[in-house]
Amino acid sequence: QSVLTQPPSASGTPGQRVTISCSGSSSNIGSNTVSWYQQLPGTAPKLLIYSNNQRPSGVPDRFSGSKSGTSASLAISGLQSEDEADYYCAAWDDSLNGPVFGGGTKLTVL
Amino acid sequence: EVQLVQSGAEVKKPGESLKISCKGSGYSFTTYWIGWVRRMPGKGLEWMGIIHPDDSDTRYSPSFQGQVTISTDKSISTAYLQWSSLKASDTAMYYCVRRVPNGAFDIWGQGTMVTVSS
Repeated sequence: QSVLTQPPSASGTPGQRVTISCSGSSSNIGSNTVSWYQQLPGTAPKLLIYSNNQRPSGVPDRFSGSKSGTSASLAISGLQSEDEADYYCAAWDDSLNGPVFGGGTKLTVL
Repeated sequence: EVQLVQSGAEVKKPGESLKISCKGSGYSFTTYWIGWVRRMPGKGLEWMGIIHPDDSDTRYSPSFQGQVTISTDKSISTAYLQWSSLKASDTAMYYCVRRVPNGAFDIWGQGTMVTVSS
């Protein structure tokens, strides 16, 4: 069981906006920044969002992140078929003295 | 180009030892922490441990402490993950990652698939 809690699945139709939640605690999300990763089928994960809401260069602005208290969210607007992937949140955990991941959310574009 | 290139897929028997590698290029290897992440078939990502190549300061996830050894050879910009006695449950894809100061893992290796089967 992962330290950070994500819904196992999410779905949407092309053009829609979908959000993926990530719930943690005061020792991780509550006191540290959150990052998000996209893993397309058969590839390595890729950094999508860092420091809660910052996008690395090359990541479309359709992807956005937010954080409030001990929870975070990833929003994808203008959903495209190529967004179909697994999405993971992560944060440093002060109690474990290491990073923790969410269990992952499989996004399906209908 | 900044990249981490991992060694190739491995097929081993239970009880055998294994050491896989991760070579960094395109940046100063000793500046950033390097971590290892496991993804078991059908499961999510799990952090295994992290090492700083400059002084070999190493931290392990409690789940992997004593199960694996993480090391580095900064002279050849390479980090390693090794097992002394593999189990079938070690079958997984293993990724090395670069951790930047903001805490994110910004560069990922392509992954090394380890299969342990009798």
